[in-house]
Amino acid sequence: SAVISQKPSRDICQRGTSLTIQCQVDSQVTMMFWYRQQPGQSLTLIATANQGSEATYESGFVIDKFPISRPNLTFSTLTVSNMSPEDSSIYLCSVEDSFYGYTFGSGTRLTVV
Amino acid sequence: GIQVEQSPPDLILQEGANSTLRCNFSDSVNNLQWFHQNPWGQLINLFYIPSGTKQNGRLSATTVATERYSLLYISSSQTTDSGVYFCAVGAGGTSYGKLTFGQGTILTVHP
Repeated sequence: SAVISQKPSRDICQRGTSLTIQCQVDSQVTMMFWYRQQPGQSLTLIATANQGSEATYESGFVIDKFPISRPNLTFSTLTVSNMSPEDSSIYLCSVEDSFYGYTFGSGTRLTVV
Repeated sequence: GIQVEQSPPDLILQEGANSTLRCNFSDSVNNLQWFHQNPWGQLINLFYIPSGTKQNGRLSATTVATERYSLLYISSSQTTDSGVYFCAVGAGGTSYGKLTFGQGTILTVHP
């Protein structure tokens, strides 16, 4: 299955700042997906990132808060902007694999203080 | 959108015991996966099983798509099986790529 390298693995940030999370895939993929997992909760899709076009955001998520870049078929970044403590979550990227469904990166555990 | 319900929400076992986790979903799906999230937050893909039965060591899964449920069986549980088990489904069409997750089953295995 596809292998995803995600970084940073964790970070502690001050409120009002921004953090950029990176995901690198070992193969070319058309779409990459970004999820959020709030403490004690399940995973929720933030947006879908296609190379060469703007990301598509789910209801409740906006580009100004979660800008996404997709410069090529193996890489994407998610930025969490103007952070508040409510943004403390695990953020994960995901790609589709032909045989295994969807595979996830190891996640970024973000704490905003 | 699709609703996904998992049961039980919590499960406590002694090492060596067997267990069954259930996932019910509200509509037709073209993708169903079981994941294990370890204490470090990493999401491990256990099974891609939109229908039928699969086995991998002590774990097996069955999805009955026509009745909209899936079961995950864990036999001879070990302490390393502890964590959260998620069922996630995908519907295709305009929802392509979107996995809808259940709320998870928290499994604790005691030595």
